[in-house]
Amino acid sequence: KAGVTQTPRYLIKTRGQQVTLSCSPISGHRSVSWYQQTPGQGLQFLFEYFSETQRNKGNFPGRFSGRQFSNSRSEMNVSTLELGDSALYLCASSPRTSGRVGYNEQFFGPGTRLTVL
Amino acid sequence: GQQVMQIPQYQHVQEGEDFTTYCNSSTTLSNIQWYKQRPGGHPVFLIQLVKSGEVKKQKRLTFQFGEAKKNSSLHITATQTTDVGTYFCTANQAGTALIFGKGTTLSVSS
Repeated sequence: KAGVTQTPRYLIKTRGQQVTLSCSPISGHRSVSWYQQTPGQGLQFLFEYFSETQRNKGNFPGRFSGRQFSNSRSEMNVSTLELGDSALYLCASSPRTSGRVGYNEQFFGPGTRLTVL
Repeated sequence: GQQVMQIPQYQHVQEGEDFTTYCNSSTTLSNIQWYKQRPGGHPVFLIQLVKSGEVKKQKRLTFQFGEAKKNSSLHITATQTTDVGTYFCTANQAGTALIFGKGTTLSVSS
């Protein structure tokens, strides 16, 4: 099976702009989670989508949003970019056979490196 | 909210030495997962522990879940240069979010 793919791999934006990141999960996986990774804060959970519905959300402002399509592909949007949004954004898919997030192995994609100038 | 503390933050060893990273929580964990991230790479799942006192082995890696389910450890015997990377533990917060520790970055010199 092909792994999790994320596009684009690298992105440079300026403050105030918005950005959309894309994630294609492993075939058959219905759960997609998004994480932000920075040197200072480490890996932080953004949100999880399952069957096109946001099931869980981390502690991030409303500027961060996402959606999932019927084919399980997911997009994440960040509006009004700030310098502090510079990070590696990781997407992970899971078969989510358990109803509780965190009980299934997460398969991570290579990430999108976002730089905000 | 629930926090997961990992120690040490960094560890340098000579090849062949053992290595241990610890994951501690102030609250009881329902389960714990361990991931490894190589430099420039993405996290890769290693193992999940669910039962109190559980011990699992993968070749040179030994994972342990505390009796009180508040701590966990990953021990690597006779490290190799291929073990280089950052090791993360993750905990499930009330079934709604994954909380990652800050990770332990292991460097190995030959």
